[in-house]
Amino acid sequence: GESVGLHLPTLSVQEGDNSIINCAYSNSASDYFIWYKQESGKGPQFIIDIRSNMDKRQGQRVTVLLNKTVKHLSLQIAATQPGDSAVYFCAENPANAGNNRKLIWGLGTSLAVNP
Amino acid sequence: DAGITQSPRHKVTETGTPVTLRCHQTENHRYMYWYRQDPGHGLRLIHYSYGVKDTDKGEVSDGYSVSRSKTEDFLLTLESATSSQTSVYFCAIKAGLAGAGTGELFFGEGSRLTVL
Repeated sequence: GESVGLHLPTLSVQEGDNSIINCAYSNSASDYFIWYKQESGKGPQFIIDIRSNMDKRQGQRVTVLLNKTVKHLSLQIAATQPGDSAVYFCAENPANAGNNRKLIWGLGTSLAVNP
Repeated sequence: DAGITQSPRHKVTETGTPVTLRCHQTENHRYMYWYRQDPGHGLRLIHYSYGVKDTDKGEVSDGYSVSRSKTEDFLLTLESATSSQTSVYFCAIKAGLAGAGTGELFFGEGSRLTVL
């Protein structure tokens, strides 16, 4: 989930386990969703995206699931590694925002991988 | 890193002084963005550009102006910096040919600004 406070929600997992990071999005008309990873001191980095006409999309060790009924997005990371430790952001693109659309960003979830 | 360079990477300034942050890209992308990132707020769009001399406001544009006189440079200016503008600023460019809201964004390394 997403937090409105100053402290990010944190997910702590053991190395080698699977991680699931959740995101509740706000606009039922959003038609495009993206996950980004941000390591400490760096800019966000694209992980994977999904369009609203899909329920699932897989990448390398990552899977994004989209449940439009409950406006929920999740990122699954298989065999989590120490290098996966970062803050993960979901972003949505409202379809009714006009030609010059702007992404709406979540507040982020911090993933800590324990060796 | 999509050839994005931000400068300066760190700056400390005093309230009321002007500040300009520069974003430079080497790959001729049309769309460029300036975001700020603050605890509890995530990434918020300040301004974006969809071409030379074509810019538009984001959700937190008050107190900021931008200019894009050539494809490779997108400048963010704080005319009179305030303490509330202390933040980390990220420039981004958009890959792909779709509209401004879709496609992968490539971010710079960020510029940390402190306004005393």
